[in-house]
Amino acid sequence: AQKVTQAQTEISVVEKEDVTLDCVYETRDTTYYLFWYKQPPSGELVFLIRRNSFDEQNEISGRYSWNFQKSTSSFNFTITASQVVDSAVYFCALSESNFNKFYFGSGTKLNVKP
Amino acid sequence: KAGVTQTPRYLIKTRGQQVTLSCSPISGHRSVSWYQQTPGQGLQFLFEYFSETQRNKGNFPGRFSGRQFSNSRSEMNVSTLELGDSALYLCASSLGQDWNEQYFGPGTRLTVT
Repeated sequence: AQKVTQAQTEISVVEKEDVTLDCVYETRDTTYYLFWYKQPPSGELVFLIRRNSFDEQNEISGRYSWNFQKSTSSFNFTITASQVVDSAVYFCALSESNFNKFYFGSGTKLNVKP
Repeated sequence: KAGVTQTPRYLIKTRGQQVTLSCSPISGHRSVSWYQQTPGQGLQFLFEYFSETQRNKGNFPGRFSGRQFSNSRSEMNVSTLELGDSALYLCASSLGQDWNEQYFGPGTRLTVT
């Protein structure tokens, strides 16, 4: 079974629209971490955020915000006022007790059109 | 501070050959993880090395192996290459403690013909 599910394969929006990328995870561990990475066309994954299982506070960083809900096992990512430079593949990842073994979702390709 | 570097960036090999990929982590990072990225399977964890020891392992056949040196640099080897080994191989480094975020290199694009 997939530990991390990103059901949205590809999303297209027009610049300045808000967009939410969904991430649902599955784990039996009580201590775990969730991550989001961005992979631009150049290929290198860029770290965006890390969130531990005990901290359900939402986080905002500029135009980016994350909503973590343990009750629904979700860790969604919202980009406000999207820009063309946001076009990339976004990955959600889970790390359990083997903390350096990441389980990645299949990624969501975001296309932001001018 | 320099990022994670991987060499070579591109490789073309023939079925049955073997290949060695190299990864230099961020200075001070002691953990190096390797991932295989393909369009069909996505990002899959291969293994992780910490202080020259393999600490975690994914579900890949024994043809995939690795090692880490005392300076934390790591190499990954694939023997008896198959067409299905064509992929982007990504290396990531981290401090290696708790759940530190991993920082990824640009990857090595391996093509097996």
